[in-house]
Amino acid sequence: QVTLKESGPVLVKPTETLTLTCTVSGFSLSNARMGVSWIRQPPGKALEWLAHIFSNDEKSYSTSLKSRLTISKDTSKSQVVLTMTNMDPVDTATYYCARIRLGYYDFGYWGQGTLVTVSS
Amino acid sequence: QSALTQPRSVSGSPGQSVTISCTGTSSDVGGYNYVSWYQQHPGKAPKLMIYDVSKRPSGVPDRFSGSKSGNTASLTISGLQAEDEADYYCCSYAGSYTLVVFGGGTKLTVL
Repeated sequence: QVTLKESGPVLVKPTETLTLTCTVSGFSLSNARMGVSWIRQPPGKALEWLAHIFSNDEKSYSTSLKSRLTISKDTSKSQVVLTMTNMDPVDTATYYCARIRLGYYDFGYWGQGTLVTVSS
Repeated sequence: QSALTQPRSVSGSPGQSVTISCTGTSSDVGGYNYVSWYQQHPGKAPKLMIYDVSKRPSGVPDRFSGSKSGNTASLTISGLQAEDEADYYCCSYAGSYTLVVFGGGTKLTVL
């Protein structure tokens, strides 16, 4: 059974750095056919893809947020970590991690999401 | 502004069919057959409904179908049911640099 679960702070202050962790089970981060993406959704708004990491450590970032994002993985812990610097109230959103299939580029499994609020 | 354009809302009565469009460019929707569609109920994570333009994952009713013509992809839901009321998002591969882009979402109301 494939599961993903996001964890991290629920509240961050403006200018702080956000660190989110996605812990996966039911598949390995070393699986060449799989990867993990981070996707966010501000309240009442659309989904926005943020970043992705494949098993070979290949990474991709949203063009508009590239300078603020870093994605990494720890295969032994089955975890994918996303950091976002210089947080702003407009970054308030539910942050999801999702599994992506290489060659299909679809998200068949999602975490439950974690709401992060940026406020002083 | 989202990269892919969807209507903000559509509606239909039970038993009817509705179609949701998703318009992109030759760099995403028109350039690849990697369009997927997601259903999202309030407070829930999105659920994959269609991948590779027109394929259904196991467990998704065949009332849901997808297609593509040029730079526009479409999701058609036939035999509308009350539980189909949700937000729907399209997503397309956009190359190895950007990877994927989402649509702005469409709210489906079952009258």
